[in-house]
Amino acid sequence: AQKVTQAQTEISVVEKEDVTLDCVYETRDTTYYLFWYKQPPSGELVFLIRRNSFDEQNEISGRYSWNFQKSTSSFNFTITASQVVDSAVYFCALSSNTGNQFYFGTGTSLTVIP
Amino acid sequence: GAVVSQHPSRVICKSGTSVKIECRSLDFQATTMFWYRQFPKQSLMLMATSNEGSKATYEQGVEKDKFLINHASLTLSTLTVTSAHPEDSSFYICSATRGHLQETQYFGPGTRLLVL
Repeated sequence: AQKVTQAQTEISVVEKEDVTLDCVYETRDTTYYLFWYKQPPSGELVFLIRRNSFDEQNEISGRYSWNFQKSTSSFNFTITASQVVDSAVYFCALSSNTGNQFYFGTGTSLTVIP
Repeated sequence: GAVVSQHPSRVICKSGTSVKIECRSLDFQATTMFWYRQFPKQSLMLMATSNEGSKATYEQGVEKDKFLINHASLTLSTLTVTSAHPEDSSFYICSATRGHLQETQYFGPGTRLLVL
């Protein structure tokens, strides 16, 4: 069974603080992809990152970084020096080798307080 | 880029009418498009997967006669909510991929439907 768990429902941080959004996944497939999307209040989902199961290198893109650890089935997302514009709902998703369906987590609502 | 548009962005209609939502991939050919429904403060719920030129595959519990999906070309898919009722009010989002397995899904901006 494929499953994505985002245990943090809501997080609030003060601007400039760092924040980590957790994502834990379950899959029996050896080949799979993990994604993070941002959904601001406007509603549109913005693609942030895609990571395949064979690439455990961490990735950094500006203030965003991702920590992929197969040993713990986690794909956590860290925002450093958070800004008000980072306020959004963030979804982690899994796509397995058995099909091109996405399995979304329930999302984490991040509020950055000025 | 990979831009997906949706039209209309929001629609209000009377109960019993049908509403058509268009989803277009603007700068790529989308072999596969997906339709999701999202309730307030909830995750996305996949309704159906559509491949160009073939019938859509509906998820369990989604009425195919209620939610008609047509994927007539590699850049356009439509979702028609037939005989809409207030419980159909929701945020409908489409996404598109270039067609390969595990391809990144690029999402449209969504359509807010309110049925009175």
